[in-house]
Amino acid sequence: EADIYQTPRYLVIGTGKKITLECSQTMGHDKMYWYQQDPGMELHLIHYSYGVNSTEKGDLSSESTVSRIRTEHFPLTLESARPSHTSQYLCASSVRDRNTEAFFGQGTRLTVV
Amino acid sequence: KQEVTQIPAALSVPEGENLVLNCSFTDSAIYNLQWFRQDPGKGLTSLLLIQSSQREQTSGRLNASLDKSSGRSTLYIAASQPGDSATYLCAVWNRGSTLGRLYFGRGTQLTVWP
Repeated sequence: EADIYQTPRYLVIGTGKKITLECSQTMGHDKMYWYQQDPGMELHLIHYSYGVNSTEKGDLSSESTVSRIRTEHFPLTLESARPSHTSQYLCASSVRDRNTEAFFGQGTRLTVV
Repeated sequence: KQEVTQIPAALSVPEGENLVLNCSFTDSAIYNLQWFRQDPGKGLTSLLLIQSSQREQTSGRLNASLDKSSGRSTLYIAASQPGDSATYLCAVWNRGSTLGRLYFGRGTQLTVWP
C-alpha cells in the first residue's frame, strides 16, 4: 500500500478564500505531481516537481501555486478560490527513474461556493 | 502531444464473465504503461505497470498486454466479481521530458452485477 496522504479529503469554502491542499509521502520519492480531475474526464497534470526547490507547471493552466521545501511535502495553494476551481485534486509521487510506477493519494474534493 | 483513448467508456456485465478493456495511445515513444483502478470519490490504486520492453504483466485475475508499435494495451479481467466494479484508467509514461510524465485516458466505468 502506498504511503501518500492528502488532507483534507473534502473541503467546501467560500469564494475569495485562500486555501492550501496538503500532500505528504513517506516513501522518499523525488518526483511529485498534482493532477486535477473533473467528473467523467481524464486527469490533467497541473504541477510537478523533480525534487526539493524544483517545481514546474503542467499541461493544464492553473491559478494555483506549489512549493517543494522538503522531499516529503508538496502543498498546493489557491490564493483566492473561485467556483471554477471546484474539482478533485489528486497528488502522486514516484521515484526518479524511467521505469517508475506512480502512487496516488486519496484526493481532495474541493467545492467553492 | 500524447493522447490516450479508452474503449468502451462504460461496461456492465454479470458476475463471472471474462472481460477486456482497451486502451490506445498516439505516441509510441513511451517508457511504461500503467493501469489504475479508481473507486467513486477516491484516489487511484495502481494495478499493473508494464515496461516498454515487456509484452504483458499479470497480477491475480488481471492480465495486461502492451503492443507499443501499434499503440495499444488491453486489460483482461478473469471471472469478474461485483467487487471489481470501479473505473479503470490507463496511463502512459511519455518521453516528452527528461524523466517522463503520465498521460491518462478517461477511463472505463465497469459495473459487475451479481
